[in-house]
Amino acid sequence: QQQVKQSPQSLIVQKGGISIINCAYENTAFDYFPWYQQFPGKGPALLIAIRPDVSEKKEGRFTISFNKSAKQFSLHIMDSQPGDSATYFCAARGGNYGQNFVFGPGTRLSVLP
Amino acid sequence: DGGITQSPKYLFRKEGQNVTLSCEQNLNHDAMYWYRQDPGQGLRLIYYSQIVNDFQKGDIAEGYSVSREKKESFPLTVTSAQKNPTAFYLCAGQGMAGELFFGEGSRLTVL
Repeated sequence: QQQVKQSPQSLIVQKGGISIINCAYENTAFDYFPWYQQFPGKGPALLIAIRPDVSEKKEGRFTISFNKSAKQFSLHIMDSQPGDSATYFCAARGGNYGQNFVFGPGTRLSVLP
Repeated sequence: DGGITQSPKYLFRKEGQNVTLSCEQNLNHDAMYWYRQDPGQGLRLIYYSQIVNDFQKGDIAEGYSVSREKKESFPLTVTSAQKNPTAFYLCAGQGMAGELFFGEGSRLTVL
């Protein structure tokens, strides 16, 4: 059973457009929701994270929107750039997973110049 | 410079061989993790260690072993019992706020 579902699997956006990636979770005990960015052949790097007591968090062009009642959260990349082309993973931590993370399957983003 | 250092970056293994992937950190993390990454499946937890001389199995521990004899080092051995070992392996340390810091990864290919 997939604890964290992520969509779409792949996304193509024009330069300057908005990229939106969605995640949904089942376990209401999760208490920390990060997004990771991974370039080919590299390890993932933390992009932005949110806790369930906040509905939105913004850092530069990246925004997380969190809907606790729907058990959904999303990543918005404003003014998308070719350098944003990477794979993005959502994750969740808490509950019976303790300090361990459950990851979504990833979204491959391509931003066209 | 530093952080989480994994080696080797690329590794080839013959059937029936054990191989060991190195993970070293200079970030003073207590907790360290090993993940396996396959295309389209995200990251799956193999083993983790919250403290020296202690480690726990993750979701896919079969065919793998680890040790944590010192805080800085968390090597992963892929044994011959692992039936499908070709994958990208990621080591991570956990920061004070709970975030994960990943190494650059090791790509293992079975010939």
